[in-house]
Amino acid sequence: DTGVSQDPRHKITKRGQNVTFRCDPISEHNRLYWYRQTLGQGPEFLTYFQNEAQLEKSRLLSDRFSAERPKGSFSTLEIQRTEQGDSAMYLCASSKRAGVRSGELFFGEGSRLTVL
Amino acid sequence: GESVGLHLPTLSVQEGDNSIINCAYSNSASDYFIWYKQESGKGPQFIIDIRSNMDKRQGQRVTVLLNKTVKHLSLQIAATQPGDSAVYFCAENMATIQGAQKLVFGQGTRLTINP
Repeated sequence: DTGVSQDPRHKITKRGQNVTFRCDPISEHNRLYWYRQTLGQGPEFLTYFQNEAQLEKSRLLSDRFSAERPKGSFSTLEIQRTEQGDSAMYLCASSKRAGVRSGELFFGEGSRLTVL
Repeated sequence: GESVGLHLPTLSVQEGDNSIINCAYSNSASDYFIWYKQESGKGPQFIIDIRSNMDKRQGQRVTVLLNKTVKHLSLQIAATQPGDSAVYFCAENMATIQGAQKLVFGQGTRLTINP
């Protein structure tokens, strides 16, 4: 399978715990995105990497959230001191250089977080 | 603030019929729009895009229409099939100077194809 892979698919945690999600993008894609999707809503942009550089961060990304892409390949999204409001689907997407069909992001199946 | 929204949250059509999903946007400066399909338990999947210098674009069984005068776009799906059942999102692409394709998604319309 050559699509975007995310792990774990589901995570249940207690409030105050830390969680980490991993994303493996399509291998030739140098652009990587994290989005968050709550039930019944469309995805919301969180952050963007071009290779290993984090170039964009949404105001939604509080200081409890940190994302990395250390070697320009896989990425991790860590949430510290989770809150119930963090419960959502965390989607990773990747894309090639911008150009024709520049809005075509390839999404993974997401990591669903439930904070009790 | 600027937003992308949908008129109807749910739509049911008979298999084989055509379906139309509507979307309104408020940012008159928007110049690039995309439709995504999201099946249950999966991430969104690109369907078709359109730039503001066009008013119509066709793909395989899908057509997107853009009316910039009223800030409205629609997705037409011809000869619907059971596999078309999904949530459909329109998205406005707000490309940034850093090169990010920052998609602003609407709420979504759930399309159900009845046999």
